Amino acid sequence: RKEVEQDPGPFNVPEGATVAFNCTYSNSASQSFFWYRQDCRKEPKLLMSVYSSGNEDGRFTAQLNRASQYISLLIRDSKLSDSATYLCVVNINAGNMLTFGGGTRLMVKP
Amino acid sequence: NAGVMQNPRHLVRRRGQEARLRCSPMKGHSHVYWYRQLPEEGLKFMVYLQKENIIDESGMPKERFSAEFPKEGPSILRIQQVVRGDSAAYFCASSATEAFFGQGTRLTVV
Repeated sequence: RKEVEQDPGPFNVPEGATVAFNCTYSNSASQSFFWYRQDCRKEPKLLMSVYSSGNEDGRFTAQLNRASQYISLLIRDSKLSDSATYLCVVNINAGNMLTFGGGTRLMVKP
Repeated sequence: NAGVMQNPRHLVRRRGQEARLRCSPMKGHSHVYWYRQLPEEGLKFMVYLQKENIIDESGMPKERFSAEFPKEGPSILRIQQVVRGDSAAYFCASSATEAFFGQGTRLTVV
């Protein structure tokens, strides 16, 4: 089993739709969680950190479920510009080793 | 505070030559990661370094590839005797808690 797993997609959604991605992690001792976004041929960029209480940034909501060992990203009112690959990142151990999921590709269509 | 700096941005090498990719982490960051991304594929972890130490090199090919992060100066990813299959984008990230990526080096082997 991979340490961090994501559905690779692609998720094809119309503009204005709400879409959710999940990411599961295998190590229950994981400490920190993040979502990154990568546009085609560009470097990944931090989208948001994921806190235990859940957090929201505009149209984006991230949640952590420690019991089931997954994090989620919800995007409301999808825009064409949201089309990208979304990467789940987990800090697996105290040595600050970050582990990336394989990414979920989102395509928002007019 | 400059971000993660990678150079060169583009590198062309003939088969059999050596490629040296440099990564200067963000100020205050002592952790560096190297990733490789082939066209149309996800990020693949290569190596994780702290100053003067290789922490995890489980993603590095056994031959021709090496990485270092000296006490002074940038981290270097070195590929000896390059082959066409080494053509890819190589991203470096540095972290304290969240990871920040450089813009990558696109290596083309001709």
